Amino acid sequence: QQPVQSPQAVILREGEDAVINCSSSKALYSVHWYRQKHGEAPVFLMILLKGGEQKGHDKISASFNEKKQQSSLYLTASQLSYSGTYFCGTVPNFGNEKLTFGTGTRLTIIP
Amino acid sequence: DSGVTQTPKHLITATGQRVTLRCSPRSGDLSVYWYQQSLDQGLQFLIQYYNGEERAKGNILERFSAQQFPDLHSELNLSSLELGDSALYFCASTKSVGGRTGELFFGEGSRLTVL
Repeated sequence: QQPVQSPQAVILREGEDAVINCSSSKALYSVHWYRQKHGEAPVFLMILLKGGEQKGHDKISASFNEKKQQSSLYLTASQLSYSGTYFCGTVPNFGNEKLTFGTGTRLTIIP
Repeated sequence: DSGVTQTPKHLITATGQRVTLRCSPRSGDLSVYWYQQSLDQGLQFLIQYYNGEERAKGNILERFSAQQFPDLHSELNLSSLELGDSALYFCASTKSVGGRTGELFFGEGSRLTVL
C-alpha cells in the first residue's frame, strides 16, 4: 500500500520552514525519508521506528506517530540546498523488507 | 558515490525487444532492491533480493524478471518491451540486518528509452 504524501509541491523562500506529511492506511513498523535532487539518485535522510520516536539531522527532523500511522518531516530555516523531491517510504512490519515509497513532495527553495 | 554500480547508464531500444540491467551492490551489502521511476513519478518498488533469495515483490510485470547471483550482483530482465516501460530503473543495496530494512544506497540508475 503506497503511503500518501502532502503537499505535492511547495515553494519557500530561503529561511522559511516546511512540513511534509506522510500517512498510511495500514499499520507501520518504520518510516524512511529520502531526498532526490533533479537528475540524481535518492539519498537517505533518516529512519524512524514505531514507538513514536523523533529524529533530527542538522535542521531536518522528523516524527512518527505509530497510532495515527503518520510521519512528518520538518525542515527548519530552509536552505537552497534543501530543494528537491522528498519521498517517504514505509515498511508495514518487522521482518518485512518491502520498502514502498510515496509519490513525493517537490520542494523548491528560492532566494 | 554511493558504491552501487549500475550498467548501462542509458539504453535505447525498440518495442518488443529484451534488455538486461545490471547492478553491483556496495561491498558487504547482501540485499538489493529494484525500483522503477517514470518521468516525474515516484519510486515504484519492483523486487528485492537478499543473499540470492527473493524476499519481497511489488507490482512487477510478468514480462520483467530478476535474480541475484552468488557474487551478489543482480540483474533485471525486461522483455517484450512497450513504450510505457521507458523509465529510470534504480538499484539500491543495504545491509538489511535482522529483517530490518536499513539505509538504502542507490545507484545512479539506468535510463531506458523504448521507441
